[in-house]
Amino acid sequence: SQQGEEDPQALSIQEGENATMNCSYKTSINNLQWYRQNSGRGLVHLILIRSNEREKHSGRLRVTLDTSKKSSSLLITASRAADTASYFCATPYGGSQGNLIFGKGTKLSVKP
Amino acid sequence: DAGVIQSPRHEVTEMGQEVTLRCKPISGHDYLFWYRQTMMRGLELLIYFNNNVPIDDSGMPEDRFSAKMPNASFSTLKIQPSEPRDSAVYFCASSLGAGNTEAFFGQGTRLTVV
Repeated sequence: SQQGEEDPQALSIQEGENATMNCSYKTSINNLQWYRQNSGRGLVHLILIRSNEREKHSGRLRVTLDTSKKSSSLLITASRAADTASYFCATPYGGSQGNLIFGKGTKLSVKP
Repeated sequence: DAGVIQSPRHEVTEMGQEVTLRCKPISGHDYLFWYRQTMMRGLELLIYFNNNVPIDDSGMPEDRFSAKMPNASFSTLKIQPSEPRDSAVYFCASSLGAGNTEAFFGQGTRLTVV
């Protein structure tokens, strides 16, 4: 499989704490994306980081990318109960980089 | 734009019946993806189109599955005959630039085959 793999599979924290999720992938990529999925809903794009970037911020989100280790991390700072969701990393795959392949996700639970 | 629109939201059908899932992508998006999500296998890419042309259908599990995109604003995923193991949530997504840009997902169709 050429999927990214998220770690941990599940994470439970208290409101206000930071949450860190990791993603490892297998092939060379030109970008990596993070998505969120609330229960029973479709996926929502959070952030895209390109292979020539090492870190990117968006509000309370911070994403890092280490192409030498083929890994990425998503940090959510000052978490809120509304952040409870599954988080997926996605990488392009295939000769044309046309496929967008998702990992199995990290299920985050933020307790109020 | 209303986003990616899928129908129906829920479908319950009997084994052996034909099932057709529908998707309207965001206007102007050149790429359309069909995914299947299950607890066991996660989110699997079934097929994707570029400018209405199927590019990679290697994820389509069997000949029972077929997908079409007759025009830029409509795509279908058909399962004939359906089997209980096809039960899953099927998502359609569209994007401007394939794997290099943000994908926009529909709300999904929850299919139950009994």
